[in-house]
Amino acid sequence: EVQLVESGGGLVQSGRSLRLSCAASGFTFENFAMHWVRQVPGKGLEWVAGISWNSGNIGYADSVKGRFSISRDNAKKSLHLEMSSVRPEDTAMYFCAKTRFGSGWYYFDYWGQGTLVRVSS
Amino acid sequence: IQMTQSPSSLSASVGDRVTITCRANQDISNYLAWYQQRPGKAPKLLIYTTSSLQSGFPSRFSGSKSGTDFTLTISSLQPEDVATYYCQGYNSAPLAFGGGTKVEIK
Repeated sequence: EVQLVESGGGLVQSGRSLRLSCAASGFTFENFAMHWVRQVPGKGLEWVAGISWNSGNIGYADSVKGRFSISRDNAKKSLHLEMSSVRPEDTAMYFCAKTRFGSGWYYFDYWGQGTLVRVSS
Repeated sequence: IQMTQSPSSLSASVGDRVTITCRANQDISNYLAWYQQRPGKAPKLLIYTTSSLQSGFPSRFSGSKSGTDFTLTISSLQPEDVATYYCQGYNSAPLAFGGGTKVEIK
């Protein structure tokens, strides 16, 4: 069974940093591209960042480019999102999501339950 | 890509046929997915590549394309279908979601 478990969320002050993690199990993690998607409570979904199987292809939403950094550790089956210079508008539930492919930009066949990030001003 | 989804909400009776529309601001071929998100839960993949139904979902859900419009249809609405539905275009980065359609039972 595919499982994605996010961690690292919490309350952080504006301008500070936070590191989110996603632990994967139930599939061959190193074969698949992974992404972060966020959702402001009560609002819609927003793609944040994605990384190919070998970290060779990485992309970011304009809203986080230059502030957030996505990375992965295939040996530890983990995905990370380093968030720096956070802003109140970064307050959201952050979901880890798996694609069916190793690279490219596709849909998400499995999602974690999310970790909540709250940024105080 | 920008995805425009309509309506933003709808209320229908059990057994009704429900349609939700999504339009991209550029050609995305058939690279369109739909997700179902129940309250308090993570989204679930419902349909991919315009019309392929994800395993585990009943056949009353279907997807189609006509011109530049993509459509999600629920042929006979059931109480368990109460959720918010999102479309997603995925031919290139940045990936984009529609604004969502909240489906309720009348």
